[in-house]
Amino acid sequence: GDSVIQMQGQVTLSENDFLFINCTYSTTGYPTLFWYVQYSGEGPQLLLQVTTANNKGSSRGFEATYDKGTTSFHLQKTSVQEIDSAVYYCAMRDRTNAYKVIFGKGTHLHVLP
Amino acid sequence: GPKVLQIPSHQIIDMGQMVTLNCDPVSNHLYFYWYKQILGQQMEFLVNFYNGKVMEKSKLFKDQFSVERPDGSYFTLKIQPTALEDSAVYFCASSRRSNTGQLYFGEGSKLTVL
Repeated sequence: GDSVIQMQGQVTLSENDFLFINCTYSTTGYPTLFWYVQYSGEGPQLLLQVTTANNKGSSRGFEATYDKGTTSFHLQKTSVQEIDSAVYYCAMRDRTNAYKVIFGKGTHLHVLP
Repeated sequence: GPKVLQIPSHQIIDMGQMVTLNCDPVSNHLYFYWYKQILGQQMEFLVNFYNGKVMEKSKLFKDQFSVERPDGSYFTLKIQPTALEDSAVYFCASSRRSNTGQLYFGEGSKLTVL
């Protein structure tokens, strides 16, 4: 079945470190891919999305490239800040079954000052 | 930005009782969702609702669960009767389009079943 895999449950970095969060997906269709961020005590909010394969999405210094060949959508940021501490969810919406958005398990990013 | 409001933010009830969680979605949105998140775990899709009908539901959407949006007011999730394993944070979300639209989430309703 459709799935989104995030292998890293927790990532701890220092300010100005490089961030890389792994995400791979599995579906037979042509999904739209998302990264959502959830700050403590809040609901998830969209960070970025990419609809078309091989395109890159970016927002607030974060970026992710939709790689259909490797079915990946890794999240990167050159220099993280303490305010980036949150849970990051990779998600997909398959256009052939557009009524369901599937989330990965989430990666808890903790940035030390 | 657009806001999804959820009421209540926290509810504590006894097992077997009924609970209704309310969601006020973004005003021009047409697609509505409920997700369940047990503490420290991932968000699990429960149901999608469009044009007065359930379009898709997961195996977590048990027979005791129901959703409706009477007369375009609140989008509600009702659980009757509740069970201990229903304790979780329930997030409502809405979107304007189906195939590419982003989801806008509320802040969640924390349900504690004793």
